[in-house]
Amino acid sequence: GENVEQHPSTLSVQEGDSAVIKCTYSDSASNYFPWYKQELGKGPQLIIDIRSNVGEKKDQRIAVTLNKTAKHFSLHITETQPEDSAVYFCAASPLNNAGNMLTFGGGTRLMVKP
Amino acid sequence: NAGVTQTPKFQVLKTGQSMTLQCAQDMNHEYMSWYRQDPGMGLRLIHYSVGAGITDQGEVPNGYNVSRSTTEDFPLRLLSAAPSQTSVYFCASSYSGQAANIQYFGAGTRLSVL
Repeated sequence: GENVEQHPSTLSVQEGDSAVIKCTYSDSASNYFPWYKQELGKGPQLIIDIRSNVGEKKDQRIAVTLNKTAKHFSLHITETQPEDSAVYFCAASPLNNAGNMLTFGGGTRLMVKP
Repeated sequence: NAGVTQTPKFQVLKTGQSMTLQCAQDMNHEYMSWYRQDPGMGLRLIHYSVGAGITDQGEVPNGYNVSRSTTEDFPLRLLSAAPSQTSVYFCASSYSGQAANIQYFGAGTRLSVL
């Protein structure tokens, strides 16, 4: 089955700096890669996703890049703000997965210091 | 729409007790799933359902039962609680089909087994 590894497990940045979180996956059949943000006491919420026919996707201060050859994808947050502090999870799934079930990475706790 | 609603929010059990974690969604999603979240391990799939009357096992199904009698509800049963089941449990739902990998999560149930 799929195995997703995520690094780093914790990341501390100064407000205004950029943050990068990296994930690798093992199953070449995976072609859908979402990122979820989990705030304290809440469930994960999708913030951006990318499919394998695209190499990069941006949404305001957030971008995701995908390298299918190397089987890795990354989340980039620019101009970080204190409200970006949360736990971020990457995940992978084949789009033809009958249950749409995701395999998650171990999570990254991002702390943005004001 | 309330989205995905989980009850209870917190629960303490003694070893050997049984209980049911409730999950309901009002988005008419076909797919529902249960994950457990443990420190450093991300979210791991316990059981999932692709429609009423259809369930299947995920990565860590032992010690848990599910049923899906309606589209809206997907309860998770702990048959005989063990300390290893101390975790935060999340229910999620999504539409079916290739464009529907976006999963919507509930706020979670924090379970402690003593």
